[in-house]
Parts: sequence; structure tokens; C-alpha cells
Amino acid sequence: GAGVSQSPSNKVTEKGKDVELRCDPISGHTALYWYRQSLGQGLEFLIYFQGNSAPDKSGLPSDRFSAERTGGSVSTLTIQRTQQEDSAVYLCASSLWGEDTEAFFGQGTRLTVV
Amino acid sequence: TQLLEQSPQFLSIQEGENLTVYCNSSSVFSSLQWYRQEPGEGPVLLVTVVTGGEVKKLKRLTFQFGDARKDSSLHITAAQPGDTGLYLCAVNYPSGGGADGLTFGKGTHLIIQP
Repeated sequence: GAGVSQSPSNKVTEKGKDVELRCDPISGHTALYWYRQSLGQGLEFLIYFQGNSAPDKSGLPSDRFSAERTGGSVSTLTIQRTQQEDSAVYLCASSLWGEDTEAFFGQGTRLTVV
Repeated sequence: TQLLEQSPQFLSIQEGENLTVYCNSSSVFSSLQWYRQEPGEGPVLLVTVVTGGEVKKLKRLTFQFGDARKDSSLHITAAQPGDTGLYLCAVNYPSGGGADGLTFGKGTHLIIQP
């Protein structure tokens, strides 16, 4: 497709299990962003990639969170030993590099930790 | 401290009324974006403002960037139920190139009642 694709769209997991969320950005977009959105809240910035590089990982909530991007395209966000407070919608966005460029968002992955 | 403060947090008005929502910061930005998010979807870009004092119109929506480039407002004339959604402002840091990621305010939840 032409847009940002995220999978799975919904994920229910048991507390303590690991989960992997996937983002397929728009082809040619060098910047890729991960955000977390709790119910009724705004967007919490997690991490961004310029190509395959993530210059600043300080937005990740804890060391249980990690992200990688390979080939300047697909990115995965991994949450280890999930906790109930990790439940949220995880949104991915991609854009061309630059200040005023538009960020295109996927529909998100709704993660529920039970 | 939030980089971007949006107000009001929640707003519910009747169809046909006018409204203004605000995005404020103590920092100066080279540009600012407004996004709208509908339930179950990712945010979608409405407009980018780049010049202090700039006013942009998008049908019934009027966006203004403050002269000092620290704040912005969104005015909706004759609101319609289809305007319902979460309105988010977003900026890149002045360092440019999206170096610190596209940062969002917490948003204004707008409900237009028929």
C-alpha cells in the first residue's frame, strides 16, 4: 500500500511476555517515529530513526523497550516482560527528512497487557 | 514541563458555534504543525505555519502563528459534527532536521454536538 502500515492492529498479551510491533513506512521516507498514546491522551514520543540510526533513545520509557530499523525501511518496537502500564496504542509515523515535512501515521497497534 | 501546552484540554459545543483552541510554549520554533486525529486513526496533518504572524485558512479553519513564533491558535467557524476529534499541535526543535523528533502537545479533545 501507499501509506504507513502497522502490524498487528491489535495485540493482547499476558503480563511478563515479550511483544514485537512492526512498522512499514512509506517508501523513500528516511525519518521514522514511534509514539505511544494512552486512552484519551496525547502522543508520547518514544524514538525516531534517521535511516537506520536512532540518535536519541532517551524517550523510551524503560530498558524493557527497544527499537531497531533495518535497510532504512521496516522498524520493530520490542517490549520485553510487558507490564499492564504498557497498555496503549503504539503509533508509527514516517516522513521525508526536514523540519516542515508532513508526518504520515499508521493506524497504530492497540496493545493490551492482561 | 511540557514543551507545548494546549488549551482547552476538552471542549464540547453545539453545531454552528465558533471556537478557538491554543498551543503555547516558552520556546521559539521555526515552524509549527496542526494535526487532527479521529478515533481509531492516526493523526493527519492539517497545516504547517512557518512565518511569525502567518495566517492560513483551510475552509472553516483559520490557523495563526504568533508574531514571536512561540504560540499558535486554531479557530473554527460554524463548527460541524464532522469537526469532532483530537487536535494536536506539533513542533521540531529549532536545531532542525527533525533532530529531536516531532514533539506533540497533549491535544484538545473537541466534540461538536448536533
